Amino acid sequence: EIVLTQSPGTLSLSPGERATLSCRASQTVSSNRLAWYQQKPGQAPRLLIYDTSNRASGIPDSFSGTGSGTDFTLIIGRLEPEDSAVYYCQQYGSSPITFGQGTRLEI
Amino acid sequence: EVQLVESGGGLIQPGGSLRLSCAVSELSVSSNNMWWLRQAPGKGLEWVSDIYSAGDAYYADFVEGRFIISRDNSQNTLYLQMNSLRVEDTAVYYCARGTRTGHSGWFYFDYWGQGALVTVSS
Repeated sequence: EIVLTQSPGTLSLSPGERATLSCRASQTVSSNRLAWYQQKPGQAPRLLIYDTSNRASGIPDSFSGTGSGTDFTLIIGRLEPEDSAVYYCQQYGSSPITFGQGTRLEI
Repeated sequence: EVQLVESGGGLIQPGGSLRLSCAVSELSVSSNNMWWLRQAPGKGLEWVSDIYSAGDAYYADFVEGRFIISRDNSQNTLYLQMNSLRVEDTAVYYCARGTRTGHSGWFYFDYWGQGALVTVSS
């Protein structure tokens, strides 16, 4: 199975700054089938990005995704306090689908 | 508005059984690929089981024949019957709708329930 390694483990930034979160796969993610989720305490994950760079419905354009092959990035521009959460990447290019261990973003 | 509402979680002793339910509205469980995923305390997410619209069911290796996924189309509800529960099955269990771009490849998840906590402890 594909192992996804997210870095950093924790990221502490200030409002208005830009966050760059990394997700590295142990093997090439087929067709760049990679998604990003945001999870706040006590809540279910919320889909942000799918197919590496497509924003899900209702997601502001401050969230963007890039990458290919084994290296993927979630960028959050103009951070707001409500962006504090744990962010997970997920690959669905091959079975079984797998998730990264998460990056905690503190604003 | 699409809603997925899990129920049936609780405290259970090792070796016991529990059935989780996921009541779905504004989305047909029979026409969609429905999944169970879980998150152990303080840990990341992992796939447990899924059932395709055609009825094919799949399970993670760690299930080892202990869990059964099913659905009731008339009730528009997804189920996960969990038997021979182990301490390591302790987690929040989420139901989710799997979706994908096009007709090939695997799935990401656009609708999630709020989760049901299952605690396996003596």
